[in-house]
Amino acid sequence: QSALTQPASVSGSPGQSITISCTGTSSDVGSYNLVSWYQQHPGKAPKLMIYEVSKRPSGVSNRFSGSKSGNTASLTISGLQAEDEADYYCCSYAGSSTSSYVFGTGTKVTVL
Amino acid sequence: EVQLVESGGGLVKPGGSLRLSCAASGFTFSSYSMNWVRQAPGKGLEWVSSISSSSSYIYYADSVKGRFTISRDNAKNSLYLQMNSLRAEDTAVYYCARDRGSGFSFGYWGQGTLVTVSS
Repeated sequence: QSALTQPASVSGSPGQSITISCTGTSSDVGSYNLVSWYQQHPGKAPKLMIYEVSKRPSGVSNRFSGSKSGNTASLTISGLQAEDEADYYCCSYAGSSTSSYVFGTGTKVTVL
Repeated sequence: EVQLVESGGGLVKPGGSLRLSCAASGFTFSSYSMNWVRQAPGKGLEWVSSISSSSSYIYYADSVKGRFTISRDNAKNSLYLQMNSLRAEDTAVYYCARDRGSGFSFGYWGQGTLVTVSS
């Protein structure tokens, strides 16, 4: 199972919106509405930001939103803030007959 | 408050073995699936293994299948990862992660434990 493809880096100015793409295949992203997104600051554990494509856990800012079209999922951060600077990873369920989960390659978000 | 605390990491020679533990608290451990996710130094996240709440279902990444064994002890609120035949490419921070609740995402994470495989 190959890693999902994400852009290596995305940047934006404070207040702007950015979108991170996550491209998989018909065996993972395209087959299940089970894409999640994680934020990871340096030296810290990942934090769940979005689950089941577009749902936000309690406590996560509504500036974070998720969507999916075909084999590509997306995470949008609106009203970019300095604290949003981090690495972001997507993850998709890929079925129980194979490696169950596949993560994305990761995207470094820089706030200019 | 959900807490997951990993232990057991360290330096091991190629071909060696190591057992990681994850102590859980703040929730009913026996009700949730649990997972191990690793991250090689400077690299991305990689799912390693998952175990259902009653240990009925167990899954492994192809990269560790046949070498790693996940298990849990619900009476002790603990998750384990037995790692055998370790390779240099297994060097990583290993995170214990709890199923969010409805499954299919990792809602809570421990702080991680570093495993270094080197001669």
